[in-house]
Amino acid sequence: DQQVKQNSPSLSVQEGRISILNCDYTNSMFDYFLWYKKYPAEGPTFLISISSIKDKNEDGRFTVFLNKSAKHLSLHIVPSQPGDSAVYFCAAKAYSGAGSYQLTFGKGTKLSVIP
Amino acid sequence: ETGVTQSPTHLIKTRGQQVTLRCSSQSGHNTVSWYQQALGQGPQFIFQYYREEENGRGNFPPRFSGLQFPNYSSELNVNALELDDSALYLCASSLAPGQGTDTQYFGPGTRLTVL
Repeated sequence: DQQVKQNSPSLSVQEGRISILNCDYTNSMFDYFLWYKKYPAEGPTFLISISSIKDKNEDGRFTVFLNKSAKHLSLHIVPSQPGDSAVYFCAAKAYSGAGSYQLTFGKGTKLSVIP
Repeated sequence: ETGVTQSPTHLIKTRGQQVTLRCSSQSGHNTVSWYQQALGQGPQFIFQYYREEENGRGNFPPRFSGLQFPNYSSELNVNALELDDSALYLCASSLAPGQGTDTQYFGPGTRLTVL
């Protein structure tokens, strides 16, 4: 049972345009959401996060939107640059007992920004 | 400030063997989490260590075990290797066991191939 879903395995966007990556979740106990970017042969790099008490968080070209009622979040990248080409993972955090919080990841969306 | 490092980078083992992977956490971080990323999947939580104790575990069998040392570095041990254990193993460190807005920072991973 996949609790975090990224239904688009890939996305191609022209340089300078907006990239929108989507993520859906099923577990209402998730209280914090993160986006990670991953280049080949590297570990995931933290990009931006949002608490469940907010609906938007912005950091430079990156904005994350959270719709709790729809259990949906999205990452907007404006303007998209060729260096943004990578796999983007959506992750959600929930308390897993004994003082531990666990990250649950989606399968990722491969973004290609075309020059 | 040094980031999360992992060793070795690549490893090839045969079925039934045992393997030990190593992780050094980012300076100042006392919590280490281990993830398994199979091809085409998102990282999957194995377990977390905080103050040298296991502090949460995902859906992995007991042949996956770990250690954390006083300097907060960590090991992941896998016994009786199976072909399905072939994956990228990621280590992530954080300031505290995922409370609130704490973010996990990932190492580059160890690519394990089981033949």
